[in-house]
Amino acid sequence: AQSVSQHNHHVILSEAASLELGCNYSYGGTVNLFWYVQYPGQHLQLLLKYFSGDPLVKGIKGFEAEFIKSKFSFNLRKPSVQWSDTAEYFCAVNPSGSARQLTFGSGTQLTVLP
Amino acid sequence: SQTIHQWPATLVQPVGSPLSLECTVEGTSNPNLYWYRQAAGRGLQLLFYSVGIGQISSEVPQNLSASRPQDRQFILSSKKLLLSDSGFYLCAWNRDPNSPLHFGNGTRLTVT
Repeated sequence: AQSVSQHNHHVILSEAASLELGCNYSYGGTVNLFWYVQYPGQHLQLLLKYFSGDPLVKGIKGFEAEFIKSKFSFNLRKPSVQWSDTAEYFCAVNPSGSARQLTFGSGTQLTVLP
Repeated sequence: SQTIHQWPATLVQPVGSPLSLECTVEGTSNPNLYWYRQAAGRGLQLLFYSVGIGQISSEVPQNLSASRPQDRQFILSSKKLLLSDSGFYLCAWNRDPNSPLHFGNGTRLTVT
């Protein structure tokens, strides 16, 4: 079974700082990769996804993530965070074609100070 | 457009009482349906998965059960709640195994 590690449990940044949240997974085959976000008081929603092709994926609100297959990583980045980016971020991975095996990381709480 | 409804939003139940959480999806047919439990600092754990009416797969042994009486209805149940059943339960759907999940707003269950 695959596993997903998010190294940072809580990240605190000031507005305009750059963000990188780490995500590593363990699985030997082809995978689908996701970042989900949960804003305070809202439901979990998709931020971006990677299935195949260009390993640099751009999502909503200026977020991007890079799939580095050799490192089994899918780190989330944003050049300049805003106060409204305060939320909990979840990395998730599933073997291609098997959504029931979607595995989530433990989440990273991002707090952006105004 | 598709929407997913989950209720109730919060629930406080005594130990030993029954449970029924309901989830419905609108605007699509034959969705894959999921029940997850979200624990603080531990991410989301898949509890049940359904590809069609009456088809339920259980991912972890537990005190809970799930049913899918209609195509777009997914119910999470328990006959007798335990304290350890407290948590945040999320319903989700997708069209196929390679589609992202769409989540409901969740139910905060507190067993006292």
